[in-house]
Amino acid sequence: KQEVTQIPAALSVPEGENLVLNCSFTDSAIYNLQWFRQDPGKGLTSLLLIQSSQREQTSGRLNASLDKSSGRSTLYIAASQPGDSATYLCAVIAAGNKLTFGGGTRVLVKP
Amino acid sequence: EAQVTQNPRYLITVTGKKLTVTCSQNMNHEYMSWYRQDPGLGLRQIYYSMNVEVTDKGDVPEGYKVSRKEKRNFPLILESPSPNQTSLYFCASSHRVRGETQYFGPGTRLLVL
Repeated sequence: KQEVTQIPAALSVPEGENLVLNCSFTDSAIYNLQWFRQDPGKGLTSLLLIQSSQREQTSGRLNASLDKSSGRSTLYIAASQPGDSATYLCAVIAAGNKLTFGGGTRVLVKP
Repeated sequence: EAQVTQNPRYLITVTGKKLTVTCSQNMNHEYMSWYRQDPGLGLRQIYYSMNVEVTDKGDVPEGYKVSRKEKRNFPLILESPSPNQTSLYFCASSHRVRGETQYFGPGTRLLVL
């Protein structure tokens, strides 16, 4: 059974510092990995999707890497801003289009 | 605008009173699914549908039903809600092609008394 872990569970950084969020998964038989952002009480916003054949994906200040063989993905957010404060979730997609989510990392960026 | 909509957004009900949470998407997606989110347990899949009239159980299907009579709609039915179904529910959709981005609705917060 696929298990997805995100460490740390919470992270606090001063504004301007780069953020590094980690995601690990136990079964490397995945189609892709998706990073989401969730604001308190709100829905999930897709940030980046990395296909299993890709090593990384970039969008603006966000960069996500994927090492399928070791079961790891890292989301980098450059030059963090207070508006980046949210919970970040990673999810792997396997057979049946099913998403298996990690527990999330709650990020606070202090002005 | 491409979106997944859910109704209602908030609902308070009592044990045993049947309810339906609607989900609709306007992106012509084949795949739709329901998740529930609980503190400490994260997001877990309830049911999913690969296409019209094709549904299957996810990880936590007990106490729920779904139907997929039309491509755009995927309602979640609680025939006899219980307090342990108090949760935040999300509907999601994507194209059926493996590995497509999944789009989520805004969530429905349900409280069962």
